[in-house]
Amino acid sequence: AQSVAQPEDQVNVAEGNPLTVKCTYSVSGNPYLFWYVQYPNRGLQFLLKYITGDNLVKGSYGFEAEFNKSQTSFHLKKPSALVSDSALYFCAVLLAYGGSQGNLIFGKGTKLSVKP
Amino acid sequence: DSGVTQTPKHLITATGQRVTLRCSPRSGDLSVYWYQQSLDQGLQFLIQYYNGEERAKGNILERFSAQQFPDLHSELNLSSLELGDSALYFCASSRYWNTEAFFGQGTRLTVV
Repeated sequence: AQSVAQPEDQVNVAEGNPLTVKCTYSVSGNPYLFWYVQYPNRGLQFLLKYITGDNLVKGSYGFEAEFNKSQTSFHLKKPSALVSDSALYFCAVLLAYGGSQGNLIFGKGTKLSVKP
Repeated sequence: DSGVTQTPKHLITATGQRVTLRCSPRSGDLSVYWYQQSLDQGLQFLIQYYNGEERAKGNILERFSAQQFPDLHSELNLSSLELGDSALYFCASSRYWNTEAFFGQGTRLTVV
């Protein structure tokens, strides 16, 4: 079964420090991976995706993610955190085969808290 | 603004009632998805439509149904509502099956 795991319910970071939000996946075939962010009382916003190509993917708001096939991971990173980055972050894998092609399987989410 | 519009934003209704949630996808997007977000279940895929036809079903209850109309807007119908149906319901749309989905702001349903 295809799945996504976000091992940390919450990540706390000081403003200006680098941040990492972890994600591991289990899929059949090549993975299509996504990161979304959800601010309070808002919908999910697309941050970045990995389909193929460079393992380091750059996205919106200075975020990037590193795809590691051997470790089946797709960790979200940012060199310098901002207080405004505080939100709920979701990793997702896109189902690429079968009758559910195109559907996203989400992790449980990681709450990022950036303190000034 | 994602370009996906959901109405209403909030809905409070009683158990046993029926409600309809509406979604207008981004211009040009043919795929529409419905997701349910709750504290205990997280984000769960409900159903997908592509160009008017049902494409895939997820963990959607038999009391729930959806459709996509010729103008590509979609409606999610929830009937015989129970307290446990209280959740945030999201609609999303995408251009192709392997491109990023854009989410609406959701409809918060409260069943009392």
